[in-house]
Amino acid sequence: EAQVTQNPRYLITVTGKKLTVTCSQNMNHEYMSWYRQDPGLGLRQIYYSMNVEVTDKGDVPEGYKVSRKEKRNFPLILESPSPNQTSLYFCASSLDRIYNEQFFGPGTRLTVL
Amino acid sequence: AQTVTQSQPEMSVQEAETVTLSCTYDTSESDYYLFWYKQPPSRQMILVIRQEAYKQQNATENRFSVNFQKAAKSFSLKISDSQLGDAAMYFCACMVYSTDKLIFGTGTRLQVFP
Repeated sequence: EAQVTQNPRYLITVTGKKLTVTCSQNMNHEYMSWYRQDPGLGLRQIYYSMNVEVTDKGDVPEGYKVSRKEKRNFPLILESPSPNQTSLYFCASSLDRIYNEQFFGPGTRLTVL
Repeated sequence: AQTVTQSQPEMSVQEAETVTLSCTYDTSESDYYLFWYKQPPSRQMILVIRQEAYKQQNATENRFSVNFQKAAKSFSLKISDSQLGDAAMYFCACMVYSTDKLIFGTGTRLQVFP
């Protein structure tokens, strides 16, 4: 089944404790992206990647890192999480450019205490 | 910078009726794409419909259609014959070709009453 998977689905952590949210797609997609969703703000793009080893900042990249060492994986890293990073996070992928249909993962609910 | 505005935080519709969700956007670019995404309570984001800015014809997908007014920078979504399963958050989004960034609106929560 073609899909985007994210792990973990739910995470409660404390300020400053490094964490990684994994994202993997099995559709051989070139383009991958991370978003955060907050009430009243919609979805905002954090980082995106056009291909392996190519990443670029979205609108809200502060406090996040990403890497794209393999085509299928695009982990989101929070080196020192803070409470303002409490949010719902989505990973998405599409065939090449973003105007192709993006397939979203199921979301990761992160709470930073 | 591109922006997307959804001025209706909540809308409601009776089952089998028609409802229109509003969206306006702003970009100085000429090559862009517009999208409507649906997010049901499961939180899964689902593409509803897509419109290329260079196409004059309004996109249609079964009961879903758009009214694309390029000069007014308006991109409304019409849902015909509403069903209970249409209840969800709906997000309008814009992607400018030169940036590869997808900008979302704040969403409209649609309730469908039997």
